[in-house]
Amino acid sequence: AQTVTQSQPEMSVQEAETVTLSCTYDTSESNYYLFWYKQPPSRQMILVIRQEAYKQQNATENRFSVNFQKAAKSFSLKISDSQLGDTAMYFCAFIPSSGTYKYIFGTGTRLKVLA
Amino acid sequence: EADIYQTPRYLVIGTGKKITLECSQTMGHDKMYWYQQDPGMELHLIHYSYGVNSTEKGDLSSESTVSRIRTEHFPLTLESARPSHTSQYLCASSAAGTGAAKNIQYFGAGTRLSVL
Repeated sequence: AQTVTQSQPEMSVQEAETVTLSCTYDTSESNYYLFWYKQPPSRQMILVIRQEAYKQQNATENRFSVNFQKAAKSFSLKISDSQLGDTAMYFCAFIPSSGTYKYIFGTGTRLKVLA
Repeated sequence: EADIYQTPRYLVIGTGKKITLECSQTMGHDKMYWYQQDPGMELHLIHYSYGVNSTEKGDLSSESTVSRIRTEHFPLTLESARPSHTSQYLCASSAAGTGAAKNIQYFGAGTRLSVL
């Protein structure tokens, strides 16, 4: 069975500091996609970053970057220069490249950025 | 900005009523999904669709039903609402194919349902 684990239910970080959210997954697939989604309080879920498993290079989007370790099945999200607007639930998600179109989500990490 | 719309945003209804939660997307995505999420908690997949006239039940058992008669429309119906159905319902869509948007799921703003 494919699983996604987020072991940090809650985290906090001071504004302008850096924080890393962890995500591990389990799959026997060789190619797949990994995602981080952000859900601000009472607002829409949006994509933060996407990583294709066959790409060695870690994805980056402005202040957001990932550390993708395929052998270790680890996919952590680093947020640099944290801003108050980064306060949200963050979900790690996985989908194989072929076959099922069901996404597997982690249980989420609630991040609070402190002023 | 994702072009996926859910109505209503909020709904308070009495037990036993029939309700339909609407979801529409204008991106031409073939895959659509319904998730149930208690506030601040994890997502549970309750239904998904690969395309017109194809629907499947998700991982969380649900008394709701769905239909997919048109590509852009994926409504969810509860024949008889109960207090246990109180939750937030998120609709999402995605496309396979190639390109930068491949397999990215786009979410609607959600419908917050309260059954009294």
